[in-house]
Amino acid sequence: ETGVTQTPRHLVMGMTNKKSLKCEQHLGHNAMYWYKQSAKKPLELMFVYNFKEQTENNSVPSRFSPECPNSSHLFLHLHTLQPEDSALYLCASSQDPGGPYNEQFFGPGTRLTVL
Amino acid sequence: GQNIDQPTEMTATEGAIVQINCTYQTSGFNGLFWYQQHAGEAPTFLSYNVLDGLEEKGRFSSFLSRSKGYSYLLLKELQMKDSASYLCAVMDSNYQLIWGAGTKLIIKP
Repeated sequence: ETGVTQTPRHLVMGMTNKKSLKCEQHLGHNAMYWYKQSAKKPLELMFVYNFKEQTENNSVPSRFSPECPNSSHLFLHLHTLQPEDSALYLCASSQDPGGPYNEQFFGPGTRLTVL
Repeated sequence: GQNIDQPTEMTATEGAIVQINCTYQTSGFNGLFWYQQHAGEAPTFLSYNVLDGLEEKGRFSSFLSRSKGYSYLLLKELQMKDSASYLCAVMDSNYQLIWGAGTKLIIKP
């Protein structure tokens, strides 16, 4: 496998459920990101991890809980979500979190629907 | 605040040329990226500009004017497969990417 993979591709959950999104990168990168993409809105950066350490948390509600056990894997744990959390959740990776020309490579995303 | 503006939607004809504009106001500037995103797929990198001028890569070119806070993506010899959303993103002084909402490009035969 190459690039950035995400599972599941689609997820429907109730507001009381607990679920997790998984991301894996096979590029040897050091930084990983979670983004939220809603229709007709800019990508919203949620979390950044550099060498497994969280370096950014853009005021994300605590019902979203990230986990980065190593530089290749990233999880987003979800609990008691709201319908407005329905969106496409994208994972990305890059060689470094900072520095110029820091191209990010994206996974295909998880389409989340909260009922 | 930081802001990236690009048109919501554009329509063009197969074989023609289209220019997608992006204007930005950010805290610092460390480069501008263009990404392509087909419906239901991951965004993929198209180009990066950090100096003023035109960067050409096959049918796609990207232009930057830092003094004007302006960039454009030029697509030539349009093909049906170019129908996608095109995302403009600027790296600010903290090396964080600030994203535009994307331009949906519709190609008609």
